[in-house]
Amino acid sequence: QKEVEQDPGPLSVPEGAIVSLNCTYSNSAFQYFMWYRQYSRKGPELLMYTYSSGNKEDGRFTAQVDKSSKYISLFIRDSQPSDSATYLCAMSRTGNTPLVFGKGTRLSVIA
Amino acid sequence: NAGVTQTPKFQVLKTGQSMTLQCAQDMNHNSMYWYRQDPGMGLRLIYYSASEGTTDKGEVPNGYNVSRLNKREFSLRLESAAPSQTSVYFCAREGLAGPGELFFGEGSRLTVL
Repeated sequence: QKEVEQDPGPLSVPEGAIVSLNCTYSNSAFQYFMWYRQYSRKGPELLMYTYSSGNKEDGRFTAQVDKSSKYISLFIRDSQPSDSATYLCAMSRTGNTPLVFGKGTRLSVIA
Repeated sequence: NAGVTQTPKFQVLKTGQSMTLQCAQDMNHNSMYWYRQDPGMGLRLIYYSASEGTTDKGEVPNGYNVSRLNKREFSLRLESAAPSQTSVYFCAREGLAGPGELFFGEGSRLTVL
């Protein structure tokens, strides 16, 4: 079983829809959870960052971590065509261990 | 480029040739990383360097060597390129927000024929 599982999609939604992206993981030692966004032919960029369980909101984006279920989510409200990208979840055990990435979910928001 | 510059951006090699991918950061952060990204495989860590003078293997180190020349530069070398090393390579540096904040370069697209 891979440490981090993420549905690769592709996911296609109409403009204005609420998007839900998810990852599951197997290692209960993970404490830091991130979402990266990657536009085509670009490097990933950090979108959301959470520590341990709970929610974090930033504008149209909300990240949720449920450590009891080993499940993290990213919600995008009022999705825009500019949100079309690949979204990668990532997590790490401690501050000194490298990130483990999911395979990424490709999202298309259709105008 | 998030303060991370990779060269070259594109390269075509023949099997058995060698080359070095260069990465430089414009800050003085300790940790730097090399990842490869392949369709359906996500980002996989090749090597990382937690500080100047130290390097550690990641998930897929075979066929690669690295050098942390100084705090700003971290190079990735392919001694004898193989078609399986055709990929997009990303260099990254750590940020200040905490564990997991990485800033990536634009990537280097390598094709091995």
